[in-house]
Amino acid sequence: EVQLEESGGGLVQPGGSLRLSCTVSGFIFSDYSVNWVRQAPGKGLEWISYISSTSRTVYYADSVKGRFTISRDNAKNLVHLQMNSLRADDTAVYYCAREDCNSVSCSIDFWGQGTRVTVSS
Amino acid sequence: QSALTQPASVSGSPGQSITISCTGTSSDIGDYNFVSWYQQYPGKAPKLMIFDVSNRPSGVSSRFSGSKSGNTASLTISGLQAEDEADYYCSSYVNSISPLWVFGGGTRLTVL
Repeated sequence: EVQLEESGGGLVQPGGSLRLSCTVSGFIFSDYSVNWVRQAPGKGLEWISYISSTSRTVYYADSVKGRFTISRDNAKNLVHLQMNSLRADDTAVYYCAREDCNSVSCSIDFWGQGTRVTVSS
Repeated sequence: QSALTQPASVSGSPGQSITISCTGTSSDIGDYNFVSWYQQYPGKAPKLMIFDVSNRPSGVSSRFSGSKSGNTASLTISGLQAEDEADYYCSSYVNSISPLWVFGGGTRLTVL
C-alpha cells in the first residue's frame, strides 16, 4: 500500500523557520518524483515545490522561491521541506504527494494526510 | 499563472448527473492531456479520481468520468450518491517550471 506521512508542522512566529518531513512506504521511492502542495484555511490547493527522483531537478512556486528548500534522502525514504522567513500567508496544511509521470501519462497520484503550519505571533 | 477556473458550487439530487467544468489556458489544459480531478472531504487529503483527462485509477467508481475540449476539462458524476458530496479540484501540468502544476479553486458538490 502506497503511504506518505508528513510531520514537523506547528505554530511558528513570523520570520521563523520549520522543517517538514515526509516519510514514504509501499513503493520504490527512488523511482518517483515528489511534490509539496499546500492548502490555506478554507482555500484551494496550491502547488509549491517539486523534486525529481534523483534530486537533480527542483522547482518552486514564486510565492516560496528563495525561502523554501526541498530535499530528499532516497536511502531513508524521506523528503524534507525547509521553510525559512515564514509569513502569515504561509499558514496552511502542507501535503507531500507522489508524482507518477512518463511521456504519455502524468499525475500526482498519492497524497499524505497533511501537516498543519500556523504562522502567527 | 492563475488558478484554473471552476464553479464554486454545484448541486444535484440522488440519481442525477452533474458536470463540473475547469477552464485553463493554452499553457496548461490546452497544451497537455495531463488533467486530473481530485475528491476531498473536509479535513482529509485529496484523492485522485481521474487522471490523464479521462482515466480512472483502480477502485474509482465508473460513475466518474472526465473529458476535455480545448482549454476546458470536465468531470461528470452520474447516478449521484450522498457519499459524492465533497469538494472537487481539477489540476493540470503546466508548460513552465513555476508553477509545475496548477489547480482549480475547487467546486463544492452538494447532493440534495
